Amino acid sequence: DQQVKQNSPSLSVQEGRISILNCDYTNSMFDYFLWYKKYPAEGPTFLISISSIKDKNEDGRFTVFLNKSAKHLSLHIVPSQPGDSAVYFCAAKGGGSEKLVFGKGMKLTVNP
Amino acid sequence: GAGVSQTPSNKVTEKGKYVELRCDPISGHTALYWYRQSLGQGPEFLIYFQGTGAADDSGLPNDRFFAVRPEGSVSTLKIQRTERGDSAVYLCASSLMRAIGQETQYFGPGTRLLVL
Repeated sequence: DQQVKQNSPSLSVQEGRISILNCDYTNSMFDYFLWYKKYPAEGPTFLISISSIKDKNEDGRFTVFLNKSAKHLSLHIVPSQPGDSAVYFCAAKGGGSEKLVFGKGMKLTVNP
Repeated sequence: GAGVSQTPSNKVTEKGKYVELRCDPISGHTALYWYRQSLGQGPEFLIYFQGTGAADDSGLPNDRFFAVRPEGSVSTLKIQRTERGDSAVYLCASSLMRAIGQETQYFGPGTRLLVL
């Protein structure tokens, strides 16, 4: 069973608008969540993270929101730029384990 | 560049052969991780080292897979008797270990393995 789910395989937005990427998880032991961005033929690049003791973390254009009761997190990118076009992975860990559990990823396309 | 490096970047081998994949972590990072990413999927955990020892090898799919980190820095992932299903991108990551559960893992570019 998939413990981290990214249910939308792709998203297309216009430059300057907001991109909202969603992620759901099932394991209540998860207490640390990360977003990675991946360009073709490169490894995942760390973007932003959030601990379960917070419900929001912001870094420049990127904000991650965590709703523990709903086991849901989202990544907001404002304003979106063409260079943000990539595959975005949601990942989680917890319960004393250091291994990251990833979603399947979502392809974001930002159109100029 | 101070990032995680992996060699080779690409490896083509024949079914049944033995391969070794190498990972150089970020200098000073004590934790090292191996993941495998198949097409259309997210990375899947294989093994995690804290220093020289394997702290968690629960993701290794079977006994054909083995990894070492003899001096607590460079790691080698070894695959014996390769099968076509082993074809994937093998990713290495490293992190500091100052606080359990709060460290970010930084990934290398991966090794693309193709088993013919």
